[in-house]
Amino acid sequence: QKEVEQNSGPLSVPEGAIASLNCTYSDRGSQSFFWYRQYSGKSPELIMSIYSNGDKEDGRFTAQLNKASQYVSLLIRDSQPSDSATYLCAVNSNTGKLIFGQGTTLQVKP
Amino acid sequence: DGGITQSPKYLFRKEGQNVTLSCEQNLNHDAMYWYRQDPGQGLRLIYYSQIVNDFQKGDIAEGYSVSREKKESFPLTVTSAQKNPTAFYLCASSISSRGRGYGYTFGSGTRLTVV
Repeated sequence: QKEVEQNSGPLSVPEGAIASLNCTYSDRGSQSFFWYRQYSGKSPELIMSIYSNGDKEDGRFTAQLNKASQYVSLLIRDSQPSDSATYLCAVNSNTGKLIFGQGTTLQVKP
Repeated sequence: DGGITQSPKYLFRKEGQNVTLSCEQNLNHDAMYWYRQDPGQGLRLIYYSQIVNDFQKGDIAEGYSVSREKKESFPLTVTSAQKNPTAFYLCASSISSRGRGYGYTFGSGTRLTVV
């Protein structure tokens, strides 16, 4: 079992819809969770961090964390073509380093 | 503005040649990391450093070397022993790699091609 798992996609949604990106992790001791966005040919950019169970909202983005289910998700409301990118989930390990998932490719179609 | 700078943006290496990728940060971060990313793939950790004059191997260290003589700088050398070095190389930094995880800041990357 991979430490951080994401569906590679592509996830295709129409413009204006809600995109839901999911991530599961194996280490129950993980405390910090991050979502990065990576456009093709560019470096990852941190867009959300979450540390407590529940929802955290920032503009059109909502991160959701459920530690009991070892599950973290990212919702993007009113999806735009400019949101088309690969989204990486990252979880801290017991050594403090982040473990990255393989990423989910999101395609938002006009 | 604080940030992390990688250079060069593009690098071409001949067979049997060593090349060095530069990574400099002015964020006062203790920890620095090097990742390799192949097309359509995730990030693979090459080396990381939690403090000056100390570094550890990541998952794919063979054929690579690093140094951490200054807090701001963490250069990566791709040696001739690395048989398939063509990839996108990303440097990152964080406040610390100890305890609770901290988010990483990434540089803009170096694209290395073997010619």
